[in-house]
Amino acid sequence: EVQLVQSGAEVKKPGESLKISCKGFGYSFTDYWIGWVRQMPGKGLEWMGIIYPGDSNTKYSPSFQGQVTISADKSVSTAFLQWSSLMASDSGVYYCARHRGIEYYYYTDVWGKGTTVTVSS
Amino acid sequence: QSVLTQPPSVSGAPGQRVTISCTGTSSNIGAGYAVHWYQQLPGTAPKLLIYGSTNRPSGVPDRFSASKSGTSASLAITGLQAEDEADYYCQSCDSTLGGSVVFGGGTKLTVL
Repeated sequence: EVQLVQSGAEVKKPGESLKISCKGFGYSFTDYWIGWVRQMPGKGLEWMGIIYPGDSNTKYSPSFQGQVTISADKSVSTAFLQWSSLMASDSGVYYCARHRGIEYYYYTDVWGKGTTVTVSS
Repeated sequence: QSVLTQPPSVSGAPGQRVTISCTGTSSNIGAGYAVHWYQQLPGTAPKLLIYGSTNRPSGVPDRFSASKSGTSASLAITGLQAEDEADYYCQSCDSTLGGSVVFGGGTKLTVL
């Protein structure tokens, strides 16, 4: 079964760093783009960016460029989303999702269950 | 402010047909880029409902269909059931954002 397993919920203070993970199972991890989607409490979906684990090519939404870092370790079929200095406004649920298609035709067919990040002093 | 515009809410009685619109611009839907639709049940991750503007993944009932024309797209749900109560999101890509994926703001479907 194809699935994405995300790391557990995190509670952090403003200014702290964080790296959350998403491990792929049941498919060739290096053959698909994998990305991150944010959902703030009570709000809609926001696409953050994607990475191609095969060559680490990465694309970011302009809204998130410079705010987060997306990476992947193909040896363990895992993608990561990283912050160097969290803010309260980073609180939300972060989903990883396998992307299919090509540029200008991306869509997501497999989603992780989400990682809840809470940033509070 | 989402790049794609959806009505915040729609409702219908069991058995009825409802549609959810998704309005874009000439830099996304109007540029010919495909529209994809997702269903998000309460407290769960989104699920792919329609891809490539009109295609259903295996396992999605044929009660769900979609279309695209000009700068807009729509999702239709026939034979409405209680378990269809969820948030629905459209998605495309946008050339002014470097081909980034963009989502609609989401539509809450209430089954009366």
